[in-house]
Amino acid sequence: AQSVTQPDIHITVSEGASLELRCNYSYGATPYLFWYVQSPGQGLQLLLKYFSGDTLVQGIKGFEAEFKRSQSSFNLRKPSVHWSDAAEYFCAVLPEGGNKLTFGTGTQLKVEL
Amino acid sequence: ETGVTQSPTHLIKTRGQQVTLRCSSQSGHNTVSWYQQALGQGPQFIFQYYREEENGRGNFPPRFSGLQFPNYSSELNVNALELDDSALYLCASSLEVQGDTQYFGPGTRLTVL
Repeated sequence: AQSVTQPDIHITVSEGASLELRCNYSYGATPYLFWYVQSPGQGLQLLLKYFSGDTLVQGIKGFEAEFKRSQSSFNLRKPSVHWSDAAEYFCAVLPEGGNKLTFGTGTQLKVEL
Repeated sequence: ETGVTQSPTHLIKTRGQQVTLRCSSQSGHNTVSWYQQALGQGPQFIFQYYREEENGRGNFPPRFSGLQFPNYSSELNVNALELDDSALYLCASSLEVQGDTQYFGPGTRLTVL
């Protein structure tokens, strides 16, 4: 069964600083990969996804992620964080041809002004 | 284009009661998936509905059941509520039944007392 690990439960960065959120997955093949963001009490908003092709994918709100097959990782990055980016971020995997998303436990991002 | 909507936003039930949660899929999407998100956790897959039939189920007991209607909207029913059922219930819709991006609604916060 696939699994997703987000090793950082909480991260605090200063506004304007760069950000990298880590995600590692365990799966027999290369799954489809997603990053979602959740503001307090809200649903999940899709930031970006990787299905195939270019391993560096661009998303909304200035986020990008890089798929590294050798490391089974799909880390999320942003060059300059804004206070409005404070939220919880979830990495998720979907087997190719599958229907069940498997999520990590999330990383809570705090932005200091 | 209308996104995924869910109702109600919040509700409070007591142990042993039954509850019905509702979801309208994004325009043009024929597949609906339900997830349970306990506090501090990532969402867990409950089941998926496609063409009005259950199409895959996670590790949830039979007292969690669902329906999908001809207009692709869906219901999640939970019988004999337990305290551990307190969670945010998220509905997601997708254009394809397998291997496709899932778009989430705002969720229903269920509290069981």
